[in-house]
Amino acid sequence: DQQVKQNSPSLSVQEGRISILNCDYTNSMFDYFLWYKKYPAEGPTFLISISSIKDKNEDGRFTVFLNKSAKHLSLHIVPSQPGDSAVYFCAATTRGGSEKLVFGKGTKLTVNP
Amino acid sequence: NAGVTQTPKFRILKIGQSMTLQCTQDMNHNYMYWYRQDPGMGLKLIYYSVGAGITDKGEVPNGYNVSRSTTEDFPLRLELAAPSQTSVYFCASSADIRSSYSNQPQHFGDGTRLSIL
Repeated sequence: DQQVKQNSPSLSVQEGRISILNCDYTNSMFDYFLWYKKYPAEGPTFLISISSIKDKNEDGRFTVFLNKSAKHLSLHIVPSQPGDSAVYFCAATTRGGSEKLVFGKGTKLTVNP
Repeated sequence: NAGVTQTPKFRILKIGQSMTLQCTQDMNHNYMYWYRQDPGMGLKLIYYSVGAGITDKGEVPNGYNVSRSTTEDFPLRLELAAPSQTSVYFCASSADIRSSYSNQPQHFGDGTRLSIL
């Protein structure tokens, strides 16, 4: 049973345009959500997070939106750059315990020059 | 600042062999984790530890063992390697954030790519 779902295995956008990566979750106990970025042959790198008490968090070109009623979050990258090409993982956890992360399968983003 | 260091980076094992994947962190983090990532899949939790001397099973613990004798080290042991354990293994660590909702994400190592033939 997949608790965190990223239904788009890949996404291709033009440099300068917006990239929107989507993530759905099923577990209502999740209260903290994270996005990780992964380049080949490297470990995942933390990108941005959002607590369930918020509906938006912004950090430079990256914004994460959370819709709790729909159990849906999205990552917006504006403007997209070729260096953003990577696999993006959505992850979720329940805070106050062991902080175990549940990951989606990832979306491979390609930003074309 | 090394962060989370995993060794080795690559390894090929024969079926039935055993090995230990090493993980060490220099951030004085209480929490440590082992994940595996199979092709086209997300990371799945194998084992985790909330402090020295404390370990617990994650989603896919079968075929693995761990120990946590120090805060810094969290080795993962494969006793009888099987082809199904061919994967990329990631170790991660994080601070204990129970007292606040501050941003304390997990920090990952660069992984160990393990092939079992």
